[in-house]
Amino acid sequence: GAGVSQTPSNKVTEKGKYVELRCDPISGHTALYWYRQSLGQGPEFLIYFQGTGAADDSGLPNDRFFAVRPEGSVSTLKIQRTERGDSAVYLCASSFGQGLGYTFGSGTRLTVV
Amino acid sequence: AQSVTQPDIHITVSEGASLELRCNYSYGATPYLFWYVQSPGQGLQLLLKYFSGDTLVQGIKGFEAEFKRSQSSFNLRKPSVHWSDAAEYFCAVEDTGTASKLTFGTGTRLQVTL
Repeated sequence: GAGVSQTPSNKVTEKGKYVELRCDPISGHTALYWYRQSLGQGPEFLIYFQGTGAADDSGLPNDRFFAVRPEGSVSTLKIQRTERGDSAVYLCASSFGQGLGYTFGSGTRLTVV
Repeated sequence: AQSVTQPDIHITVSEGASLELRCNYSYGATPYLFWYVQSPGQGLQLLLKYFSGDTLVQGIKGFEAEFKRSQSSFNLRKPSVHWSDAAEYFCAVEDTGTASKLTFGTGTRLQVTL
């Protein structure tokens, strides 16, 4: 597509529930990134995919967070047993590779109540 | 580990006035540096980037930034601000190693008065 698409744009869930956030990158972009942006903060790195594999998942806060990119295109960020502290905007970005610039999606605003 | 500092949380300027947003970084080698802008409810839009070469880089919407290695700075400037420039501005440094991830500053919120 023309840009990075993230769905849903807003998600409200109850504490303890499971959620999935989807990212559809720009066609042909091999690199895909997930970031989390809390209120009043800059985005924080979560995970980076090169193709289908997670090249760096050092930013995932704990084992409740998991992401996949099975066919090297669409990615899903999965959060188990959500907590109120998980409330944030989750941003996805894609790129042709290092140093080539990133295109960000509009984000998914997750609210855990 | 790399880090980015944006010392100004909030700046207010009058329309037509000049603007400078400060950014200092910490990184072991020559970094890749970026400025992004974020309007409310929107994603991040790239304003400009520095990889190498000329230390004064031009971006979109009339913005420019200057890389100063001696000061570890990458300040964003605009000679004449427009009301539509009101937004949040983020400076970021890219890991030039294998991880290729961005580290962002905490952002500067720009308010423009008419």
